[in-house]
Amino acid sequence: DAKTTQPPSMDCAEGRAANLPCNHSTISGNEYVYWYRQIHSQGPQYIIHGLKNNETNEMASLIITEDRKSSTLILPHATLRDTAVYYCIVNNQGGKLIFGQGTELSVKP
Amino acid sequence: EAGVVQSPRYKIIEKKQPVAFWCNPISGHNTLYWYLQNLGQGPELLIRYENEEAVDDSQLPKDRFSAERLKGVDSTLKIQPAELGDSAVYLCASSPGEGSDEQFFGPGTRLTVL
Repeated sequence: DAKTTQPPSMDCAEGRAANLPCNHSTISGNEYVYWYRQIHSQGPQYIIHGLKNNETNEMASLIITEDRKSSTLILPHATLRDTAVYYCIVNNQGGKLIFGQGTELSVKP
Repeated sequence: EAGVVQSPRYKIIEKKQPVAFWCNPISGHNTLYWYLQNLGQGPELLIRYENEEAVDDSQLPKDRFSAERLKGVDSTLKIQPAELGDSAVYLCASSPGEGSDEQFFGPGTRLTVL
């Protein structure tokens, strides 16, 4: 499974868009990009995933570069409840999730 | 719909004692996972079940850890004997089946070994 690189921490003002980057330069053609988040004292929660097209759901948008070597998770209007650790994971669909250390996002009032 | 249920939520034991964690996955989910999460780290897979069969237990320390999923529903993870380094959060997750997109996680059991 390809490795991902994320910044260890980020801050975002409440109500603004939070853009979380992820590098996955060794991603292979059949690997998807998954995003999960983990709020303090809870289990991880699935957010979104994609292969090569941009994706959007009720929680977030996922922008994948054309060469698929990086992606950005966008929370369009961050709230205090979005404060969490965000994990970017690359793997085959349905395969083993390998979590890195993620990005700790702090949304501030 | 009920989520993944785990018990206990917290457990404190002395080293060398046995301990067991229980997981009830979402109804109808064939795949069940146990993860270990150390403080400040992401979860690490210990074992994955497809129905009753353990299809990936390569990361399970088999000298002291064991798991079972009788009847392909509930699962139990056991440590015997526990060591100080086993202090961590043990997470259970489930998904509808192989090839599914999303894993649903329980709240975890926080184990402290003294």
